[in-house]
Amino acid sequence: AQSVTQLDSHVSVSEGTPVLLRCNYSSSYSPSLFWYVQHPNKGLQLLLKYTSAATLVKGINGFEAEFKKSETSFHLTKPSAHMSDAAEYFCVVSSEGYQKVTFGTGTKLQVIP
Amino acid sequence: SAVISQKPSRDICQRGTSLTIQCQVDSQVTMMFWYRQQPGQSLTLIATANQGSEATYESGFVIDKFPISRPNLTFSTLTVSNMSPEDSSIYLCSVVLAGESGTQYFGPGTRLLVL
Repeated sequence: AQSVTQLDSHVSVSEGTPVLLRCNYSSSYSPSLFWYVQHPNKGLQLLLKYTSAATLVKGINGFEAEFKKSETSFHLTKPSAHMSDAAEYFCVVSSEGYQKVTFGTGTKLQVIP
Repeated sequence: SAVISQKPSRDICQRGTSLTIQCQVDSQVTMMFWYRQQPGQSLTLIATANQGSEATYESGFVIDKFPISRPNLTFSTLTVSNMSPEDSSIYLCSVVLAGESGTQYFGPGTRLLVL
């Protein structure tokens, strides 16, 4: 069994300040973890993925995430928010031979000018 | 990555009718999936589209309501049958590319409104 919990449904930051989007997971197997971003009226774009290599994963647009097994977390961060980062972000866990993925409920990021 | 296209991009339909959504990929894929995203919600897996055989449906989804075809490796269709307003959602296909096991890439989605 696997599950993923995004701890905040909405996050609001000022432009130029750090972004932290929190994600906790549970999995019976060694998981793969992903972050996707969905801009308004757009499809989902892969930001980054963890697949048992380096625990600190760098993605596109300056985002990165750290896999912490002891905390079962995979939080997404960015040092400085940009207006174009305003979107919904989904944390996703995959295991069981990659046959199934489970989506978190999403976090809407608002960036205030 | 790959280019994943969906047709139509959006549609407005009358209740009781059916709509077929197409998904086309320009690269070799190993797996294809169909998801539903209801307004303000996360994504829910409808089914895995299997090439040349019946799709594998998740709990709560049935073939009569959501028939799926996948005649070849890079093309699939999802039909939403006998639609009701509750079927108003975004429908997305996703693929796992050959050589990239475990990572799903998503199409742009089809926005469906049922009146």
